[in-house]
Amino acid sequence: QVQLVESGGGVVQPGRSLRLSCAASGFTFSNYGFHWVRQAPGKGLEWVAVILHDGNTEYYVDSVKGRFTVSRDNSKNTVFLQMNSLNVEDTARYYCARWGADDYRRNWYFDLWGRGTLVIVSS
Amino acid sequence: EIVMTQSPATLPVSPGERATLSCRASQSVSSKLAWYQQKPGQAPRLLIYAASTRATGIPARFSGSGSGTDFTLTISSLQSEDFAIYYCQQYDNWPPLTFGGGTNVEIK
Repeated sequence: QVQLVESGGGVVQPGRSLRLSCAASGFTFSNYGFHWVRQAPGKGLEWVAVILHDGNTEYYVDSVKGRFTVSRDNSKNTVFLQMNSLNVEDTARYYCARWGADDYRRNWYFDLWGRGTLVIVSS
Repeated sequence: EIVMTQSPATLPVSPGERATLSCRASQSVSSKLAWYQQKPGQAPRLLIYAASTRATGIPARFSGSGSGTDFTLTISSLQSEDFAIYYCQQYDNWPPLTFGGGTNVEIK
């Protein structure tokens, strides 16, 4: 079954850390890049980070640079998001999304999403 | 950073009617635009990419148009399952990838 399953969310105090996981199944994991997209309660979607299929290319939204790190383990078909120095503005549901492309690789899109994991930063 | 602006924020529509959603980019994104649908408690779902190409399994009542800075998502005859929030997203110039704020299509 083709799917992404996130885990690792929870309630954490400001300044603490959390590591999210995204387990993939049903497709060739190493062929794809993966993104993290978050959604604060009642708000819209915000792109957070990406790790491309090569495992060496990462990008982050400015608000998490230096605090969040994305990584992948191709042997475990899993993507991780290490989140340090969390603050209340990081409270959101975090989705893992696969970066797919059309046949000509000119158009890229989130073609598979997990159900997300909820992170609440609160004292 | 390219800012994506969607209008209206809320769109009341009766079942069977046409819905027209707008998305504007702060600078040209060519045709590098996608649309996603999100229902309450669910993850987003890809509807359209390349501004006008329907994703696999998406019904023909969904159509996208536009290029440059102005884009439109049209739902030709709204079904009950189409009431949801719709987001546009550009992938022409990134990072960061950016989404619009969403349009909530609700029952009139």
